[in-house]
Amino acid sequence: QQQVKQSPQSLIVQKGGISIINCAYENTAFDYFPWYQQFPGKGPALLIAIRPDVSEKKEGRFTISFNKSAKQFSLHIMDSQPGDSATYFCAASKSGSEKLVFGKGTKLTVNP
Amino acid sequence: DAGITQSPRHKVTETGTPVTLRCHQTENHRYMYWYRQDPGHGLRLIHYSYGVKDTDKGEVSDGYSVSRSKTEDFLLTLESATSSQTSVYFCAIGQGYEQYFGPGTRLTVT
Repeated sequence: QQQVKQSPQSLIVQKGGISIINCAYENTAFDYFPWYQQFPGKGPALLIAIRPDVSEKKEGRFTISFNKSAKQFSLHIMDSQPGDSATYFCAASKSGSEKLVFGKGTKLTVNP
Repeated sequence: DAGITQSPRHKVTETGTPVTLRCHQTENHRYMYWYRQDPGHGLRLIHYSYGVKDTDKGEVSDGYSVSRSKTEDFLLTLESATSSQTSVYFCAIGQGYEQYFGPGTRLTVT
């Protein structure tokens, strides 16, 4: 059973465009929703995270939008740059659990 | 990589041989994790540790064992490697949603 479903599997965007990656979850006990960024040959790194008591969180060009009723959250990358080309993972965890559940990842390519 | 090293970084081994991967941290974190990453599957938790000698299974623990005799070291052992264990293995430290990953070990089982 896949607890966090991520789409699309791959995404190609032109420089300056908006990249949008979507995730959906089933377990309403989840209360932290982080996004991780992974460059080729490197380990994933925490990019941004949100709790379900807010609907949106921005950090620079990166924004998480959260829809609690739909059990969905998404990552928006504004003004996408070639340096943003990486694999992005959404994830979920719940208070009291030290484990993360990851989506399957989205490979983003930003063309110059 | 947040004071995390993994060794070896690359390994090729034959089916049926034992393999041990090492994760070493300098951050004194209580929690350590082992994940495997495969195309189409994302990151899947193998085992994790919540203290010296305290470990628990993740979602894909079959065929793997772990040990943690010191805070800084977390070992992952494949008792008898199989081709299905060909993967990239990541160690992580941290807690809950905030985890810091090592550089990974690419393991090929032939």
